[in-house]
This record gives sequence, C-alpha cells and structure tokens, in this order.
Amino acid sequence: LAKTTQPISMDSYEGQEVNITCSHNNIATNDYITWYQQFPSQGPRFIIQGYKTKVTNEVASLFIPADRKSSTLSLPRVSLSDTAVYYCLVGVWNQGGKLIFGQGTELSVKP
Amino acid sequence: NAGVTQTPKFRVLKTGQSMTLLCAQDMNHEYMYWYRQDPGMGLRLIHYSVGEGTTAKGEVPDGYNVSRLKKQNFLLGLESAAPSQTSVYFCASSIDRGAPSSYNEQFFGPGTRLTVL
Repeated sequence: LAKTTQPISMDSYEGQEVNITCSHNNIATNDYITWYQQFPSQGPRFIIQGYKTKVTNEVASLFIPADRKSSTLSLPRVSLSDTAVYYCLVGVWNQGGKLIFGQGTELSVKP
Repeated sequence: NAGVTQTPKFRVLKTGQSMTLLCAQDMNHEYMYWYRQDPGMGLRLIHYSVGEGTTAKGEVPDGYNVSRLKKQNFLLGLESAAPSQTSVYFCASSIDRGAPSSYNEQFFGPGTRLTVL
C-alpha cells in the first residue's frame, strides 16, 4: 500500500496559484492518484484523479511525472472559499488492509 | 437524489452505553465505508463493505461492529462506548471498479459528531 506524504499546512493569498505536492514513493503500477477537498464540518469531496501526465478539470489540475512517485495538485487563482484541507489518496486494499487518507494539507487563503 | 445521508448528526453518550449510526445512500453503490476523523489524524477507515451482506475490517475496527443487510444501508454499532471513541464519523460510498482503491471516487456523508463522556 502506497504511503503518502504531504505538507501539513500552506498559506496563500487570493488570486495566487497554489501547488500542493504529494509524495508516494512506493506507488504500485495499477494505482490511481486521487485528491479530495474537505471544508470544515463537511465530509471530503472528490476533486480530481489521474494516472499519469496531466489531468485538468473545472476545479484543478493534477500533474504526475513519468516516475509517478509524486503528484502536484494545482489550484489556479485561489479565493477565500478554497480554504480547506486537501487529501492525496493512493492505493488498493484487500480485506483487512488499509486505505489511508493521511493528515492532508490545510490550505489557508488570505485576502 | 440525497446522496449519502447519516443519522444522527450529533450524539452524546455515557461510557458503556451503546448506539448505532445509520448511513444510507441512494446512488445504488456497491461499496460503503465508515471512517473516523480525529484532530491531527486525518481520516481512518473503520470497516467497509463491498456488497450487501459483506463486511471487512479497516485500519481501526476494534470496538465497532457493522452490518450491511440492505445494499443502500450501512450500520455502525458501538456496543460499549468509550471516551476514546469520541470523534466525527463519516460514511462514504462508491461504485464497484474491481476492488476498493483510490480509483473509486468516494461520496461522503455530512458526518456524525459523537461525544462519549
């Protein structure tokens, strides 16, 4: 099971681009990389997923290098409403195993 | 569609009491999950189910039991609550993409805040 490592917290200002990197050195061949966003007092919600290279949707972009041992979530021109915790999730588990969200990255966007 | 709903939203228990948390989903998802979230610990998987009538242990199953008698419902039980079980509990569901993994987009409920005194 791939263990992920992310920065605990990041600060940014409105209008800036924010990049959050997740390390997953022992990612398996079949593993997808998925990012979730969690606002206070809410459950996490899916924002983007990728396997390799670059994926973009209306919310974010996900950059994955060729070795797939890390990935970078990019949030363009953040606003105050992007203040949240962002989780990187990688792995497959069978009965008795673990799929670990980790502590996530707490992003604080300031005016 | 309501998505994933959880009942109750808040609950206070005394040590030793029992209770059941109910999770319901209306998306016809095969997989369902129960997580707990504690400050600084992220989300930890308690139990999960890959289909009606099946359950499996996650990372922190001790002190909890689950049942999936109907496809749309996943129940989490605490037989004898302890202060260490004070937490926010989240239920989630996802479609079947071959195996529980990060490939399965999970849809989360709003959470249940449980306090055990």
